[in-house]
Amino acid sequence: QKEVEQNSGPLSVPEGAIASLNCTYSDRVSQSFFWYRQYSGKSPELIMSIYSNGDKEDGRFTAQLNKASQYVSLLIRDSQPSDSATYLCAVTGRGNTPLVFGKGTRLSVIA
Amino acid sequence: GAVVSQHPSRVICKSGTSVKIECRSLDFQATTMFWYRQFPKQSLMLMATSNEGSKATYEQGVEKDKFLINHASLTLSTLTVTSAHPEDSSFYICSARDQGQGNSPLHFGNGTRLTVT
Repeated sequence: QKEVEQNSGPLSVPEGAIASLNCTYSDRVSQSFFWYRQYSGKSPELIMSIYSNGDKEDGRFTAQLNKASQYVSLLIRDSQPSDSATYLCAVTGRGNTPLVFGKGTRLSVIA
Repeated sequence: GAVVSQHPSRVICKSGTSVKIECRSLDFQATTMFWYRQFPKQSLMLMATSNEGSKATYEQGVEKDKFLINHASLTLSTLTVTSAHPEDSSFYICSARDQGQGNSPLHFGNGTRLTVT
């Protein structure tokens, strides 16, 4: 059974600070890793995807992957109140397979 | 970018009736679509994998006779909740990726909020 673990939070950070979100996964053969943002009552929207070890930066977002430790993280720099949402970590294997989601971390950015 | 359209966005029905939810890939073809369900304050749970031209694959604990899936074309999958009960009230979300894109991200529809009274 594939599992994805996240701290449910809430994680509260002041506006302008760095928010750090973490995720671990159980299936060692997982190939692709994603971070989605979900606002209350809405569908998830893709923030970042990462496929190889190391860091990947896109604007204020940086995803980090360590396959040896089975660990994925997301850093949000210069956090804004509009970043307040639930962040879902998702993992998938090889081919056209479904995503397995963590329970999500609720982030609250305080103005 | 790839767009997945889902309708209706919200539906209220009476207990015992059936509800059909449509999921369309608008600018790409999808031989496979994935249906998720999300209860309040919980994460997305995979219900079933919809396969074009063949039977859907259901996750453990999901009744295939209650949640009927039809994937009639490369751009359309439907989920019918039959004989709905209040415990079926949930947020149903379909997703797909462009076929041939391997393990790229899934694109999600806007979801359907089902309330069974």
